[in-house]
Parts: sequence; structure tokens; C-alpha cells
Amino acid sequence: DSGVTQTPKHLITATGQRVTLRCSPRSGDLSVYWYQQSLDQGLQFLIQYYNGEERAKGNILERFSAQQFPDLHSELNLSSLELGDSALYFCASSVESGGASSYNEQFFGPGTRLTVL
Amino acid sequence: EDQVTQSPEALRLQEGESSSLNCSYTVSGLRGLFWYRQDPGKGPEFLFTLYSAGEEKEKERLKATLTKKESFLHITAPKPEDSATYLCASLSGGYNKLIFGAGTRLAVHP
Repeated sequence: DSGVTQTPKHLITATGQRVTLRCSPRSGDLSVYWYQQSLDQGLQFLIQYYNGEERAKGNILERFSAQQFPDLHSELNLSSLELGDSALYFCASSVESGGASSYNEQFFGPGTRLTVL
Repeated sequence: EDQVTQSPEALRLQEGESSSLNCSYTVSGLRGLFWYRQDPGKGPEFLFTLYSAGEEKEKERLKATLTKKESFLHITAPKPEDSATYLCASLSGGYNKLIFGAGTRLAVHP
């Protein structure tokens, strides 16, 4: 158990709908990261938040957005869903610091499996 | 652009048959090379971080090494429970964005 929690575990919805995925980081971690894993793309970085502020963006679609709240939990919002959005969505957390440091090690949650029908 | 390539894509071993997985990286300003284990439908489980060429880390039957261009994950006398996908990822630049390889699917048969 990494200490990172994600809800829900499974989500089945229809095209055009909007869903919210939730993540609680490990105690003491200030950074939260979102990743998407699909069969053909592997693990792809979406976005990072550090202590409530957006820190880095990856291959995140405009239909997707995220935020990190004062208690450090994070939500990933996916809207206007398409069949191709079906994937596993992982949240990871780290303490984070600059340079080469063990505080950069990211620990992953169990994921949310999203199925868009 | 930063890139991480893993080989082989899949590896089948007999129990006790040692082998190595390869992770080649082309990144500027590497700040860490990470190894994760992922079981089907589960989140990646952190194994090791290597920070500089020549560094080695061990955990049970696994040993990770790092050179200036690649990293190896050596599996000694594997057991069926070592079957999983092994992912490597690079951390570079000013942000903590991990760039993952596609992974090596390892199957260890009794």
C-alpha cells in the first residue's frame, strides 16, 4: 500500500458525459501528479500540482482539468468524454524538491478505471 | 525530446533463470532514473531510484544499475511471483514529470 488513495475504483459512463476522479496523496506529500495509461500509449503524464498550484502540464486535453485543494487532495475533471478517453487514470504523490533527491520519488495510487461507452 | 526505451517488450523465464531488462534513455539533465513494478490493473509500485552513473541498488532478487546512457534491472533466480510489467522512467529538467518507457512484461514459469 503506497498511501495514495483514489476513488472511485471503476467508473462507467457514456460519451459526452463529465466525471470527476479524486485523489488523496500520502501524508506529508505536497505534490500530486495525474497520469493516463491506455493500451496503446503507455503511462502518460497529464498534470502536476504542488501545494495547490499548477506546476507542470503534459499531454492533457483541453477537455480535462484538475485542481488541488487546501487539504492537498486533488480532483481530475474529464468532460465531453469520448470513447478514446477510456483508460486507467493514476494519481501519484511526492514531497518534491529540486535537484536529485529522494523527495522526488513518486508513489502511485491504485488507479481509477474509466470506461466510456 | 526526452525519450525512454525498454527492451525486450516481453520476456519469458523459467524459475531460477537469471536475466536482465534494459532501459535506454536520452534525456538532458537527468535527475533520477526510476524503476517500478506494475501488476495487471494495479498502480505502479516503486522499486528503485538511481541518481548517477555507476550507482547500484538491490532489493531481494532485483538489482538496478545505471550508466550514462542506460539502466539495467537484473533479476537473479526469479520466482513466479516476480511476474509483472517492469517500468523505467526518467526525471529531468526543471519539473518532476516522469517520462515512462513502454515496459517489459516478465513471465516466470515454474
